[in-house]
Amino acid sequence: DAGITQSPRHKVTETGTPVTLRCHQTENHRYMYWYRQDPGHGLRLIHYSYGVKDTDKGEVSDGYSVSRSKTEDFLLTLESATSSQTSVYFCAISVASGIYEQFFGPGTRLTVL
Amino acid sequence: QKEVEQNSGPLSVPEGAIASLNCTYSDRGSQSFFWYRQYSGKSPELIMSIYSNGDKEDGRFTAQLNKASQYVSLLIRDSQPSDSATYLCAVWRTGNQFYFGTGTSLTVIP
Repeated sequence: DAGITQSPRHKVTETGTPVTLRCHQTENHRYMYWYRQDPGHGLRLIHYSYGVKDTDKGEVSDGYSVSRSKTEDFLLTLESATSSQTSVYFCAISVASGIYEQFFGPGTRLTVL
Repeated sequence: QKEVEQNSGPLSVPEGAIASLNCTYSDRGSQSFFWYRQYSGKSPELIMSIYSNGDKEDGRFTAQLNKASQYVSLLIRDSQPSDSATYLCAVWRTGNQFYFGTGTSLTVIP
């Protein structure tokens, strides 16, 4: 399972509240990613990180921020949650083994009421 | 144009048959190609990686890559009901970004 955990696994919150999702990995991988998955859209990249304090935006970054102060933790924050951010959020890491392969955490189901 | 396109399905095959899943990609700079299996309510699981033209086999799975046609396929031989899932095609190119298709739903009928 590539040693990836996500917390919380499920969360229900109200519009306008801040939300932070945590991704934790145990194998010191350099690259970490946050995706959201919605019906009809597949997996869409929100932000990714290529090292401590090094992050960049993905395809759907508006309304989201990230931080990575330690190699093992990558945090995704919704500053003011909206109903359009109701989704399943996956964290992933990529491993270089000849080619880069990506492995996913178990996911967080977020509902914004 | 989408980076990665897949037929959404659903695709239904009888148990024991060959399931064929297809994917096309738009950027000729794509270098590595992947198939993921995703069961309902679960996270994507990597089942095949390929980066050279031709076929790559792993058990009942065969990935096929044709870079000239920008086409990747996955064949599942002797399909089992446990293969019923959504299959995601993904590509990687320099910059360490992965691009995913929306997935093809496969049902294997006992």
